[in-house]
Amino acid sequence: GENVEQHPSTLSVQEGDSAVIKCTYSDSASNYFPWYKQELGKGPQLIIDIRSNVGEKKDQRIAVTLNKTAKHFSLHITETQPEDSAVYFCAASSGGYQKVTFGTGTKLQVIP
Amino acid sequence: DVKVTQSSRYLVKRTGEKVFLECVQDMDHENMFWYRQDPGLGLRLIYFSYDVKMKEKGDIPEGYSVSREKKERFSLILESASTNQTSMYLCATPNQGANSGYTFGSGTRLTVV
Repeated sequence: GENVEQHPSTLSVQEGDSAVIKCTYSDSASNYFPWYKQELGKGPQLIIDIRSNVGEKKDQRIAVTLNKTAKHFSLHITETQPEDSAVYFCAASSGGYQKVTFGTGTKLQVIP
Repeated sequence: DVKVTQSSRYLVKRTGEKVFLECVQDMDHENMFWYRQDPGLGLRLIYFSYDVKMKEKGDIPEGYSVSREKKERFSLILESASTNQTSMYLCATPNQGANSGYTFGSGTRLTVV
């Protein structure tokens, strides 16, 4: 089955700096890569996703990149703000029943 | 947008008890999922269901079962709770359309003592 690895497990940045979280996946059939943000006491929330026919996608201060050859994808957050502090999960899916495999999570702390 | 509701926010149960975790979605979606979340391990799939009375094992089904009698409700059952099942349990359903991400419930924090 699919295996998703995520790094780093914790990340501290100064407000205004950029943050990058990296993931790798094992199943070459995976074609959908969502990212989730989980704030304290809440369930994960989808923030951005990318499909295998696209190399990069951007939404305001967040962007995702995908390298299918190397089987890795990354989340980039620019101009970080304190409200970006949360746990972020990457995930990969090959589409069957829309089943998703998650990474282990990155706890991001933005220091004011 | 679909709404996913988990009936209990916190639960404390004793070892050996039978535990029911309930999840309801309001959009008649076919697929529903149960994950458990543990620090350093991320979210791991326990069971999922793709229609009423249909279920499939996920990656860590041991010690769990599920029930889906109605399309909107997906229950996770701990047949005989053990301390290693202390965890956060999250229910999810895909958003509308293929490859459109999940909507999660707020989670149930279960402690088994």
